[in-house]
Amino acid sequence: AQSVTQLDSHVSVSEGTPVLLRCNYSSSYSPSLFWYVQHPNKGLQLLLKYTSAATLVKGINGFEAEFKKSETSFHLTKPSAHMSDAAEYFCVVSPNTGGFKTIFGAGTRLFVKA
Amino acid sequence: SQTIHQWPATLVQPVGSPLSLECTVEGTSNPNLYWYRQAAGRGLQLLFYSVGIGQISSEVPQNLSASRPQDRQFILSSKKLLLSDSGFYLCAWSVFSYGYTFGSGTRLTVV
Repeated sequence: AQSVTQLDSHVSVSEGTPVLLRCNYSSSYSPSLFWYVQHPNKGLQLLLKYTSAATLVKGINGFEAEFKKSETSFHLTKPSAHMSDAAEYFCVVSPNTGGFKTIFGAGTRLFVKA
Repeated sequence: SQTIHQWPATLVQPVGSPLSLECTVEGTSNPNLYWYRQAAGRGLQLLFYSVGIGQISSEVPQNLSASRPQDRQFILSSKKLLLSDSGFYLCAWSVFSYGYTFGSGTRLTVV
């Protein structure tokens, strides 16, 4: 069985400060892990993905995530927040075959203060 | 390049009216196609999943149905909408572990 837990429903940071969005997962096999971003009334956009290659994954817009198997975590980080980063972020765990076993986290709303 | 088109962007429909949302994919063949619903302030709920023409799977009993008449076309339908059908509907496609590509979504309000 798989599950994914986003530990914070809301995160608020000041512009220019680091961003940390936390995600823990459980899976009975080696999963693929993803982070998506969703701006209001828009579709989801893929930020980055981990598919059993390098454990530190770099994505778009300066985001990166580190796969830590021992901690079953896949936290999303960015060194310096920008106002345009304000959005909802989803952590996703999936087997390589996709389908119903793909699980979306409940989402973390990121607020960025000027 | 691969693109996904979803329309309409917004829709307001009365209770009891029919629904048809369409999604088409370009630049890929035989993708897995998905319909998700996102209720206000909640996560994504998978509604339907298709691995090929005419092949539709669903684990969520509801007032909706889906069809895949062509390889790159996925349609979400309802014969009679309920208030609870309101939400943000997202179409997506995937090929194995490459991740999902989402459409821009349809905001459905049933009044």
